[in-house]
Amino acid sequence: QVTLKESGPGMLQPSKTLSLTCSFSGFSLSTSGMVVSWIRQPSGKSLEWLAAIDWDGDKYYNPSLKSRLTVSKDTSNTQVFLKITSVDIADTATYYCARSGPFSRDVMDAWGQGASVTVSS
Amino acid sequence: DIQMTQSPASLSASLGETVTIECLASEDIYSNLAWYQQKPGKSPQLLIYYANSLNDGVPSRFSGSGSGTQYSLKINSLQSEDVSIYFCQQNYDSPPTFGAGTKLELK
Repeated sequence: QVTLKESGPGMLQPSKTLSLTCSFSGFSLSTSGMVVSWIRQPSGKSLEWLAAIDWDGDKYYNPSLKSRLTVSKDTSNTQVFLKITSVDIADTATYYCARSGPFSRDVMDAWGQGASVTVSS
Repeated sequence: DIQMTQSPASLSASLGETVTIECLASEDIYSNLAWYQQKPGKSPQLLIYYANSLNDGVPSRFSGSGSGTQYSLKINSLQSEDVSIYFCQQNYDSPPTFGAGTKLELK
């Protein structure tokens, strides 16, 4: 059974760096073709794809946020991380990590429950 | 970025009815289109990929079709558990982009 779970600070102040962790099980990120992506969703709004990292360590970013994003994974291939620098109120959202790869690099077939992040002073 | 336009934004239907949700891409996405269902308070779940391929475990009353820039999601015999927001997403070009969503409610 594939499961993913996001964790984060819950709340942080503007201009700080947001650090999120995605812990997963049921698949191996070292398997060829596997990808873990980050997607966010402001309350009541649609979804925005942020970044992804694949089995080979290749990283992919949304150009609109690329300068602020860093995606990485741990050496055991059981966790993926996302850092967003210089956060603003507009970064308030639920952040999801999701697996993709079985069908396409960008088709997310398993999602975490989401981590709510509020940016506020 | 490829823009995805969904319609309608909201939809009210009765149990047993058939509903259709449309998704229009700003350019040809060559059937690289996925549909997700997001139940209230939950994370999105993949329903359909490659425009018409049903993900494992998804009821057969869901179906997808389309090509080029125009795609649709059809739900036959609407059930109460289908109350959700539905999103389309293109995975033809990076970054992957989502439609604004269609909120499906029971009449």
